[in-house]
Amino acid sequence: DAKTTQPPSMDCAEGRAANLPCNHSTISGNEYVYWYRQIHSQGPQYIIHGLKNNETNEMASLIITEDRKSSTLILPHATLRDTAVYYCIVRVVGTGNQFYFGTGTSLTVIP
Amino acid sequence: EAGVVQSPRYKIIEKKQPVAFWCNPISGHNTLYWYLQNLGQGPELLIRYENEEAVDDSQLPKDRFSAERLKGVDSTLKIQPAELGDSAVYLCASSSSVIAKNIQYFGAGTRLSVL
Repeated sequence: DAKTTQPPSMDCAEGRAANLPCNHSTISGNEYVYWYRQIHSQGPQYIIHGLKNNETNEMASLIITEDRKSSTLILPHATLRDTAVYYCIVRVVGTGNQFYFGTGTSLTVIP
Repeated sequence: EAGVVQSPRYKIIEKKQPVAFWCNPISGHNTLYWYLQNLGQGPELLIRYENEEAVDDSQLPKDRFSAERLKGVDSTLKIQPAELGDSAVYLCASSSSVIAKNIQYFGAGTRLSVL
């Protein structure tokens, strides 16, 4: 399984952009990058995913480097409600949608 | 649209007792997953169903854990007998390659405490 490496924790000031990095140096050409977050006592929540192009939705932007070995999740204007654990996941097409979550990055948004 | 529904939200039992968790996936989602999440860790897959067939149960401890998904909709995960180390959050997720681009949607989980 392709694995990911994330910093264990990060802080971000409220209203500023939160940039969460992820390394996936062993990623293969057909593997998607997914981001989920988990707020305390809730199940993981889908944020965004991509293969090789940058993606943007109403929640966040996903920037994938050209060599696809790393990516950054950007929350453009962090709020206190964005405090959560963020997981970067690599999914292999054809493996039955198997996800490997790892331990994620605990993001704290500071007032 | 209703999300993935799990019950109960919390369960406290004594060791050696049986326990069961129930999951109702999002309507139309053919794939259902059960995950185990220990404190401070990410979720780990226990079993995956495609419709009513368990297609990946390699991480399910089959001596005490069992699961079923009758009629390919709702699913039940059972532990018998429970051990102290089974205390964790049990998450259910569902997805559809047709409807939702294989995005997994999670329920709120069942927090199990074994005393």
